[in-house]
Amino acid sequence: RKEVEQDPGPFNVPEGATVAFNCTYSNSASQSFFWYRQDCRKEPKLLMSVYSSGNEDGRFTAQLNRASQYISLLIRDSKLSDSATYLCVVKEGNTPLVFGKGTRLSVIA
Amino acid sequence: EPEVTQTPSHQVTQMGQEVILRCVPISNHLYFYWYRQILGQKVEFLVSFYNNEISEKSEIFDDQFSVERPDGSNFTLKIRSTKLEDSAMYFCASSVSRTTGTGNQPQHFGDGTRLSIL
Repeated sequence: RKEVEQDPGPFNVPEGATVAFNCTYSNSASQSFFWYRQDCRKEPKLLMSVYSSGNEDGRFTAQLNRASQYISLLIRDSKLSDSATYLCVVKEGNTPLVFGKGTRLSVIA
Repeated sequence: EPEVTQTPSHQVTQMGQEVILRCVPISNHLYFYWYRQILGQKVEFLVSFYNNEISEKSEIFDDQFSVERPDGSNFTLKIRSTKLEDSAMYFCASSVSRTTGTGNQPQHFGDGTRLSIL
């Protein structure tokens, strides 16, 4: 069975803090990796794709470790607007997206 | 920015009734998907659709479910005889091509239809 496991959360952090989320996936054939963000009762929205060499988009940095089947997301200088659930998502070739249950982040003023 | 749109935003239906959930994918996209999310649980894949036929479906997508693209624009999900456990958010998604390797193209989601079965 293909599973994606994430930190349980919730993470409650002050504004300006740095926070990291972890994710592991069970299917070693997974080829594509994403972080999506989901606000309460809203649709998942793509935050960033995750590339083998790691990648950065502003305050967000994603890392992939294929050997350990591990993905991470680092958020620097947290903003109130970063409060959401962060979904780790993997995909094997042409198969559908497999979602983790998500980690909830609350950034507090 | 183009969007995936879904209607209705909320559907309340009696158990045993048929429901049709509608989606308009992004216009130049070729692949269409339905997912569902039961309250408090993870997003789950239901079905994918390409070239006017189902390309993959999950074990959730049983004989009570069907999909159609009747007019080249709308993409619908029909549940023939709803059960209480069908209550969930249903998300439509589309992508230009299937995500493969590093040439991945993410799926874009509509804002969902909340289905409540009474």
